[in-house]
Amino acid sequence: QKEVEQNSGPLSVPEGAIASLNCTYSDRGSQSFFWYRQYSGKSPELIMFIYSNGDKEDGRFTAQLNKASQYVSLLIRDSQPSDSATYLCAVGKAAGNKLTFGGGTRVLVKP
Amino acid sequence: DGGITQSPKYLFRKEGQNVTLSCEQNLNHDAMYWYRQDPGQGLRLIYYSQIVNDFQKGDIAEGYSVSREKKESFPLTVTSAQKNPTAFYLCASSTRTSGGREQYFGPGTRLTVT
Repeated sequence: QKEVEQNSGPLSVPEGAIASLNCTYSDRGSQSFFWYRQYSGKSPELIMFIYSNGDKEDGRFTAQLNKASQYVSLLIRDSQPSDSATYLCAVGKAAGNKLTFGGGTRVLVKP
Repeated sequence: DGGITQSPKYLFRKEGQNVTLSCEQNLNHDAMYWYRQDPGQGLRLIYYSQIVNDFQKGDIAEGYSVSREKKESFPLTVTSAQKNPTAFYLCASSTRTSGGREQYFGPGTRLTVT
């Protein structure tokens, strides 16, 4: 079992719809959770982080964390063609600053 | 401008040669990291350093070496012992405070070894 798992996609979403991405993790000691967006050929860009159970909203993005079920999700509202990218989930533990990354979910927003 | 720079953007080497990738940051971050990304894959940690003159192996350190002589710099050497060195190499940095574990990435170096 991988430490951090994501559906590789592609997740095809009509423009204006909500894109829902999921990420599960295996280590119950995980404390911090991050979503990165990576355009083809570019480096990852941090878009959201969440440390506590519940929802965290930032513009069109909402991160949801459920530590009991060991999953974290990302919602993208009003999806735009510019949201087409690969979204990487990363999980960190309390000790040290190491992050473990999932394989990424590719999102395609169709006009 | 504050940020992380990596050079060069593209690097081509012959098999059997060592090559050093540069990573510099002016964010005053204590911690720095090197990742490798293969096509269609996530990121895998090679080495990381939380303080000057100290570094630890990540998940795939074999065939790589690093140094951390200055806070701003964390160069990575890909040695001839690395069996599959062709990849996209990403450098990142973060603060060491308990609440600030977000990592920020440089633009990356794409290494091709033939």
